[in-house]
This record gives sequence, C-alpha cells and structure tokens, in this order.
Amino acid sequence: AQTVTQSQPEMSVQEAETVTLSCTYDTSESDYYLFWYKQPPSRQMILVIRQEAYKQQNATENRFSVNFQKAAKSFSLKISDSQLGDAAMYFCAYRSAYNTDKLIFGTGTRLQVFP
Amino acid sequence: SQTIHQWPATLVQPVGSPLSLECTVEGTSNPNLYWYRQAAGRGLQLLFYSVGIGQISSEVPQNLSASRPQDRQFILSSKKLLLSDSGFYLCAWTRVSGNTEAFFGQGTRLTVV
Repeated sequence: AQTVTQSQPEMSVQEAETVTLSCTYDTSESDYYLFWYKQPPSRQMILVIRQEAYKQQNATENRFSVNFQKAAKSFSLKISDSQLGDAAMYFCAYRSAYNTDKLIFGTGTRLQVFP
Repeated sequence: SQTIHQWPATLVQPVGSPLSLECTVEGTSNPNLYWYRQAAGRGLQLLFYSVGIGQISSEVPQNLSASRPQDRQFILSSKKLLLSDSGFYLCAWTRVSGNTEAFFGQGTRLTVV
C-alpha cells in the first residue's frame, strides 16, 4: 500500500524569505500523481500544485515550485517570497495512475510566517 | 461549474447517538467520492471512498459506515457515536482521471460529548 510521509510537523519562515516543506512517499508503481494542498484557518482545502510522475520537469506555480526526485521518492514544496497569507497547514498527497480511486494524504506541516 | 456541498458545518452529539453527514456534488457525473477525517497530528485519514452507486470501500475498520444512494450523494453514518469519533470530517470528489485534483467540501466539525 502506498504511504505519504511529512516529517516536519511545523515550520516557520520570515516574510519574503524562502521555505521548503518535505514530503516522501512509498510506492511500487511507476506512474502516479502528486499534489500539494493548502489548508488555511478557514479549513477549506486549496490545491497549490500538482506533478505527474512521468514528467521530469518540476512543476511551478508562481511562487510555489516543487523538487520532484522520483528515484528518491521525494516531493518537496518550495515557497519563495513568503507572504503572511501563506500561513496554513500544507498536505502532500498521492494518487495512483493505475488505481485512481484512492487519494492518500500525509500528516501535514503547519507553516507559520513571521513579519 | 462543479460544486460540492457538505452539511452540517458543526455538530455536537452525545455518546451513543446516531450520526448522518451528507455530501452532494453538482455539475458533474460519476465522480469518485471520499470521506476523510482530520485529527490533530494525524493529517487527513481516508475513511471511505466510492467509485459508483452502492460501491463503498472502507479504509479503516471503525464505528462508521458510508453509503452512496445516488451518483452524486455520499453519506457518512454511525449507529452509536463514540467519544473517539470527534473530529473534522471532509468530503471530497475527483474525476476518474488521475491527474485531476480533489475538490473538498467545507467540512463538518463533530464533537461527541
């Protein structure tokens, strides 16, 4: 069974600085999809970025980018020029390309942003 | 456009009482549907998922059950709540295609007293 691990329960960053959130996963499959979600205090889940495993190029969305290391099964999220509004829980998620029914999440990382 | 509705937003129930949380999706057909529970330090725990009417997969054996009586309706139930059932419950849907993200409801804060 696939698992997703986020080893950093909490992280903090100064406004305008850069922070990286870690995510590792375990799977025997070769094709899958990875996601980062943000959950602000409102609790509404918001997609931040997605990565297809067959793509070697790392995904980017404005200030958010990923470092996808397929061999190492690592999928970290880099937030550049951090803003106060980035403070939230961040969840890493995995979805198989073969069995697309399950969507597995990690335990989350709480990010604090200081002015 | 697609929307997902989940209710109620908050619920306080006594131990031993029944539970029914409802989730409906609009604007799409044949979605995959999910129930997650979020507890402190445990992230989003997948409870149930469904790929079609009447088809329910259970991830965690527990005091809860799920049903999908209609294509876009997903219900989370319990006959007798336990204190440990307290938490934040999220419903979500995805398209069958794997590269699409999940869309979440607003969540239900359940407190069992």
